[in-house]
Amino acid sequence: QSALTQPPSASGSAGQSVTISCTGTSSDYVSWYQQHPGKAPKLIIFEVNKRPSGVPDRFSGSKSGSTASLTVSGLQAGDEGIFYCSSYAGNDNWLFGTGSSNWVFGGGTKLTVV
Amino acid sequence: DVQLVESGGGLVKPGGSLRLSCVASGFIFADAWLSWVRQVPGKGLEWVGRIKSKTNGGTTDYAAPVKGRFTISRDDSKNTLYLQINGLRAEDSALYFCATNALFHFDYWGQGTLVTVSS
Repeated sequence: QSALTQPPSASGSAGQSVTISCTGTSSDYVSWYQQHPGKAPKLIIFEVNKRPSGVPDRFSGSKSGSTASLTVSGLQAGDEGIFYCSSYAGNDNWLFGTGSSNWVFGGGTKLTVV
Repeated sequence: DVQLVESGGGLVKPGGSLRLSCVASGFIFADAWLSWVRQVPGKGLEWVGRIKSKTNGGTTDYAAPVKGRFTISRDDSKNTLYLQINGLRAEDSALYFCATNALFHFDYWGQGTLVTVSS
């Protein structure tokens, strides 16, 4: 699978909502990561629309066809950063330990809260 | 709390070798599937490779650009993940992260270690 396509930038005013797209996803195992400057990426959405513990419900994910989307509602200044989508492209069998792994990432979208 | 701490990066000449380490804590390391992901400063993320737990065979997979030059291994007695990089190229210059694999995503990441390949 080729790298995923994301818009390079997105912006919104504080309190508003913004949606970031990610095209080219071939599986339902889409995850999103937020990265602040100089920091490690942080998982915010997995399996298209699930949030890890501690991630606010202002972050939501969806998928239609081969395009996944991340929506950030009630924008806050701290939401600024770069968001990456990722799609699992392997065929691992976690139960039996067979198959092979492969992941692809999008190029990242810089979110600015104006 | 889960912690992943990478080390071993540095400045290396083209063709050289390097071994990166990732020391983990806060979870049962022996049960974990782990990956290396790299990022050229200012650019996007690229999955490098993954190692399964020994219970699941301890096998490894690699991204096409690094296959044959990179080797991932683990020492469960030391809670440590390794990435051996041989035949370094300029395009291997990047920040290398280790990350835990929870099924089909990466749930915890380290802070990364920087590899610079230059003559």
